[in-house]
Amino acid sequence: DQQVKQNSPSLSVQEGRISILNCDYTNSMFDYFLWYKKYPAEGPTFLISISSIKDKNEDGRFTVFLNKSAKHLSLHIVPSQPGDSAVYFCAASDTGSNYKLTFGKGTLLTVNP
Amino acid sequence: NAGVTQTPKFQVLKTGQSMTLQCAQDMNHEYMSWYRQDPGMGLRLIHYSVGAGITDQGEVPNGYNVSRSTTEDFPLRLLSAAPSQTSVYFCASSDRNYGYTFGSGTRLTVV
Repeated sequence: DQQVKQNSPSLSVQEGRISILNCDYTNSMFDYFLWYKKYPAEGPTFLISISSIKDKNEDGRFTVFLNKSAKHLSLHIVPSQPGDSAVYFCAASDTGSNYKLTFGKGTLLTVNP
Repeated sequence: NAGVTQTPKFQVLKTGQSMTLQCAQDMNHEYMSWYRQDPGMGLRLIHYSVGAGITDQGEVPNGYNVSRSTTEDFPLRLLSAAPSQTSVYFCASSDRNYGYTFGSGTRLTVV
């Protein structure tokens, strides 16, 4: 039973436009959410996170939105750049428990010049 | 450089062989985890640790053992390799105040 779902395996956008990556979760105990970026042949790198006490967190071109009632979060990248092309993983954690991360299957973002 | 170091980067095993994937971190992080990444499956948790001497199973623990005798090291042991264990393995660590830091991975092929 998949607790973190990324329903879009891939997304293609034009350079300069907005990229929106979506993630849904089913476990109501999750209270901390993270996005990771992964290039081929490298380990995932932390991008941005959000606690369940917030509904938005920004870091430069990256913004994560959290809708707790819908159990949905999204990552917005504005403006998108070719170097953003990578696989993006959504992850969630129950920090009151053991802080292990549960990952989605990832979305391959391609930003076309 | 500070971070998570995994060795080896590549390994080919024969079915039935055993081996240990090494993972070391120099950030004094409490939390460490092992994940495997398979095509279309994302990252799945194998085992994790919340401190030296404390380990627990993740989503896909069968065929793997771990131990955590020091804060720095968290080796993953394959007891008897099977082709189904062909995967890319990632080790990660965290101090709970920030996201997990991942190593660069070990690509394992079992023939």
